[in-house]
Amino acid sequence: AQRVTQPEKLLSVFKGAPVELKCNYSYSGSPELFWYVQYSRQRLQLLLRHISRESIKGFTADLNKGETSFHLKKPFAQEEDSAMYYCALRDKAAGNKLTFGGGTRVLVKP
Amino acid sequence: DAGVTQSPTHLIKTRGQHVTLRCSPISGHKSVSWYQQVLGQGPQFIFQYYEKEERGRGNFPDRFSARQFPNYSSELNVNALLLGDSALYLCASSFSGSPQETQYFGPGTRLLVL
Repeated sequence: AQRVTQPEKLLSVFKGAPVELKCNYSYSGSPELFWYVQYSRQRLQLLLRHISRESIKGFTADLNKGETSFHLKKPFAQEEDSAMYYCALRDKAAGNKLTFGGGTRVLVKP
Repeated sequence: DAGVTQSPTHLIKTRGQHVTLRCSPISGHKSVSWYQQVLGQGPQFIFQYYEKEERGRGNFPDRFSARQFPNYSSELNVNALLLGDSALYLCASSFSGSPQETQYFGPGTRLLVL
């Protein structure tokens, strides 16, 4: 069965410092990975997906199939990056069902 | 467009009761998915519907059921409520539910079972 693990419940960094959110997955097929973000009092929204290979709000994520990881990185954290981040995997054979990790709360201190 | 809307925003029920949650997708979207998010955990897939047909079902008991209407809105029903059903229930919509599409989430309905 597919599984997504986010080992850190909370990451606290200072403004301007790098931030890396870890995501590991288990999946037998070819996965499609996403990062979703939820800012305070807002709804869950897509941040980026691995197939796009783009940078959104300064964040990037690289799919490493050998290590089954999809870590999210930003070189210089901003206060507005404080939010809840969820890594998710989509099973292409199951429509658009998403399997989410437990989430990492990022707190960027001034 | 207001995006995905859900009603009610909050509700409180007691064990054994029945609850119906409602979702209206973004205009033009024909696929709706339901997720349960227990406090401190990530969302967990319950159902996906497209064109009124069930396309996928997560690992939830038969107490959970859903349906989609001709206008593509959807209802999630939970019978014989348990304390463990207390959670945020999220609805997400996409145009056709195909894997390439982005899902857009609603604000959720927070259910508390006492």
